[in-house]
Amino acid sequence: SQQGEEDPQALSIQEGENATMNCSYKTSINNLQWYRQNSGRGLVHLILIRSNEREKHSGRLRVTLDTSKKSSSLLITASRAADTASYFCATDHSNTGNQFYFGTGTSLTVIP
Amino acid sequence: NAGVMQNPRHLVRRRGQEARLRCSPMKGHSHVYWYRQLPEEGLKFMVYLQKENIIDESGMPKERFSAEFPKEGPSILRIQQVVRGDSAAYFCASSPQVGKLFFGSGTQLSVL
Repeated sequence: SQQGEEDPQALSIQEGENATMNCSYKTSINNLQWYRQNSGRGLVHLILIRSNEREKHSGRLRVTLDTSKKSSSLLITASRAADTASYFCATDHSNTGNQFYFGTGTSLTVIP
Repeated sequence: NAGVMQNPRHLVRRRGQEARLRCSPMKGHSHVYWYRQLPEEGLKFMVYLQKENIIDESGMPKERFSAEFPKEGPSILRIQQVVRGDSAAYFCASSPQVGKLFFGSGTQLSVL
């Protein structure tokens, strides 16, 4: 399976703290994306990082990509209660065209 | 510009009935993806379509499931003779090209 895996499965932090989530995958990628899902809703795209990039920022989000380790991390700084959601990584693999494989997700709870 | 529209939002079917799930992609998007999500799990790829073409259906069960994206009208995911195991949230996503996905709010299918 080319499905990614997020780690940890669940994370609970206090408001204001930083949250770090990791994603590992198995085969080479074109790009890796992070999505957020609020309970019962569709996924919302957060950030895309290409295979030739190592780090990317968007507001309070920082994503890193290590293709040698086949892993990525998502850092949310100064977390807010509204950041409570599930976060998924999705990988676009070179040899499968436009198919996106999603991980199992990290459930983040930010306690006010 | 309306987002990806899925309907119905909730669909209840008895075993053996047919389920039809509809997805209207965002304007200008020619790529449509269908995913299935079980509670507490990530999204499982089912099928990737472009207008009038199925590009990749490797994630879709060979029997009872079919998908189409006609030249005019929404994309349809059709499940014939539904069974309890088909109960899940089905998400549609569209994209204008290779890159990020825009998700609908999903259809929650419940099979009694």
